[in-house]
Amino acid sequence: NAGVTQTPKFQVLKTGQSMTLQCAQDMNHEYMSWYRQDPGMGLRLIHYSVGAGITDQGEVPNGYNVSRSTTEDFPLRLLSAAPSQTSVYFCASSSQNRALKPDEQFFGPGTRLTVL
Amino acid sequence: SQQGEEDPQALSIQEGENATMNCSYKTSINNLQWYRQNSGRGLVHLILIRSNEREKHSGRLRVTLDTSKKSSSLLITASRAADTASYFCAFANAGNNRKLIWGLGTSLAVNP
Repeated sequence: NAGVTQTPKFQVLKTGQSMTLQCAQDMNHEYMSWYRQDPGMGLRLIHYSVGAGITDQGEVPNGYNVSRSTTEDFPLRLLSAAPSQTSVYFCASSSQNRALKPDEQFFGPGTRLTVL
Repeated sequence: SQQGEEDPQALSIQEGENATMNCSYKTSINNLQWYRQNSGRGLVHLILIRSNEREKHSGRLRVTLDTSKKSSSLLITASRAADTASYFCAFANAGNNRKLIWGLGTSLAVNP
């Protein structure tokens, strides 16, 4: 199993450009999420999904869109990049327990995004 | 903020010593999880403890949960230089919310 894969590993954008960060998992996990990590801020949840066709907002959703057309894939779209979106982005997946809460998270290696 | 709080923010110890990190939260939880992050890498899951559990062990790791105080601690015994990393707690609320909430992390340096 490849686990959770993310592409690209590095990306530089100009302000106003759009792009999609890819995330895929091969563990048949229902729960997938996107985080951004900034120095001193810990992990902040952008969007999450509890299954194909179901997405919901996290703490910092503005400027980002997601979709979940399949169980495996959960792409994150930056609509119009801004310097404030410079960050490291992590995708994670997990199964859900009987209470439908996320269990152990499996993380991808991250994408380092710089917006100029 | 919904974030959990961890203390200390930073900890520096000598190899062989024990390291203790604490995590506090504000709501009722379903489970609490601890993760490690080495510099520049993704996060790796260490231990998950459920709300009806009080203590769990995994190798040199011991996690306790006190739901009355809304706090958890992670103890690393006989630390090694390879334990140098940032450690994060995360918890799932007990209510309808299905988000995972994260602490800001403790940066641990183990000096050889």
